[in-house]
Amino acid sequence: DVKVTQSSRYLVKRTGEKVFLECVQDMDHENMFWYRQDPGLGLRLIYFSYDVKMKEKGDIPEGYSVSREKKERFSLILESASTNQTSMYLCASLPGLAGGRRNTQYFGPGTRLTVL
Amino acid sequence: AQSVTQLDSQVPVFEEAPVELRCNYSSSVSVYLFWYVQYPNQGLQLLLKYLSGSTLVESINGFEAEFNKSQTSFHLRKPSVHISDTAEYFCAVSKFGNEKLTFGTGTRLTIIP
Repeated sequence: DVKVTQSSRYLVKRTGEKVFLECVQDMDHENMFWYRQDPGLGLRLIYFSYDVKMKEKGDIPEGYSVSREKKERFSLILESASTNQTSMYLCASLPGLAGGRRNTQYFGPGTRLTVL
Repeated sequence: AQSVTQLDSQVPVFEEAPVELRCNYSSSVSVYLFWYVQYPNQGLQLLLKYLSGSTLVESINGFEAEFNKSQTSFHLRKPSVHISDTAEYFCAVSKFGNEKLTFGTGTRLTIIP
């Protein structure tokens, strides 16, 4: 089974802190994604990566950056956390064309971030 | 750009009653369609998907959805719900050849014993 893990289930940070959210997948997937989930807004794509060191902005990239130095790991970085970034953050992975099971994204359990 | 509309934010249903969760999409190109489910305190899991072929797709736990191109809909149905179906359900769409998913705002299904 595909496993996507996220470093923390719950995180509390202060305004202005630098925050790192880590995501690791164990299935050699080429594509990885970061979403935030807010009540009434569903999931919105922040960034995604289709290969090591490659990244592309999603729908709401402002205030975030990402890093993908290894294929299995995709990090979301909040350079200076703000209260409006309090949310649930979900990571997902997706195999490439050669990986089969096309188009099915596999999600991690989520990190609930609170910025005070 | 594509978009997804889930008109019902909450749907309460009695146990063993049928349910329909509505999903409409808009896109100028052909799309793939998905339903994901999120059980309490968990991440999202794929419930079912339409890529091509038969317009009626089924999941292993009794849900089904029908792709209706003329009405741009992909409604999710189950003839008899169980307490364990309590969850939030998200409809999503992606364009052919594009890995990005666009999600609806979700429908919270509550089963009343």
